[in-house]
Amino acid sequence: AQTVTQSQPEMSVQEAETVTLSCTYDTSESDYYLFWYKQPPSRQMILVIRQEAYKQQNATENRFSVNFQKAAKSFSLKISDSQLGDAAMYFCAYRSQSNFGNEKLTFGTGTRLTIIP
Amino acid sequence: SQTIHQWPATLVQPVGSPLSLECTVEGTSNPNLYWYRQAAGRGLQLLFYSVGIGQISSEVPQNLSASRPQDRQFILSSKKLLLSDSGFYLCAWSNYAQGDYGYTFGSGTRLTVV
Repeated sequence: AQTVTQSQPEMSVQEAETVTLSCTYDTSESDYYLFWYKQPPSRQMILVIRQEAYKQQNATENRFSVNFQKAAKSFSLKISDSQLGDAAMYFCAYRSQSNFGNEKLTFGTGTRLTIIP
Repeated sequence: SQTIHQWPATLVQPVGSPLSLECTVEGTSNPNLYWYRQAAGRGLQLLFYSVGIGQISSEVPQNLSASRPQDRQFILSSKKLLLSDSGFYLCAWSNYAQGDYGYTFGSGTRLTVV
């Protein structure tokens, strides 16, 4: 079974600075998807960014980018120019590429990000 | 556009009482539907998923059950709630056939069993 590990329970960053959240995963599959979700105090789960394992190019969404190292099974999230609104719990998630209808997201335990004004 | 509705937002129920949480999706057909639970300060645990009407798979044995009476409706139920059922419940959908291989989550239900 796939596992997702987020080794940083909490992180903090000064506003306007850059922070990197770590995520590692364990899988025997070669094709899969990886995601970062943000959960603000409202507890709504918001998709931040996603990466297809077959793509070598790292995904980027505005101030959010990932460093995908497939061989190392590492998927870190970099937030540039941190803003107060970025304060949230961040979850890394893994999804098999299976299209037989039973694809499931496996989540890490999360990293709580605090933005210091 | 696709939307997902989940209700109620907050629920306080006594131990031993029944439970019914509902989730509906709009703007897509034949989605995969999921129920997750999040305990306080912890990650998300998959409870049930469904790939079609009447098709339910359970991930964790417990006193909860799920049903999918219609294509875009997913219900989480219990006949008798336990204190340990307290938590934040999230419904989600995905539709691989439409290229949506991520999940879209509802706004969640905060359940407190007293």
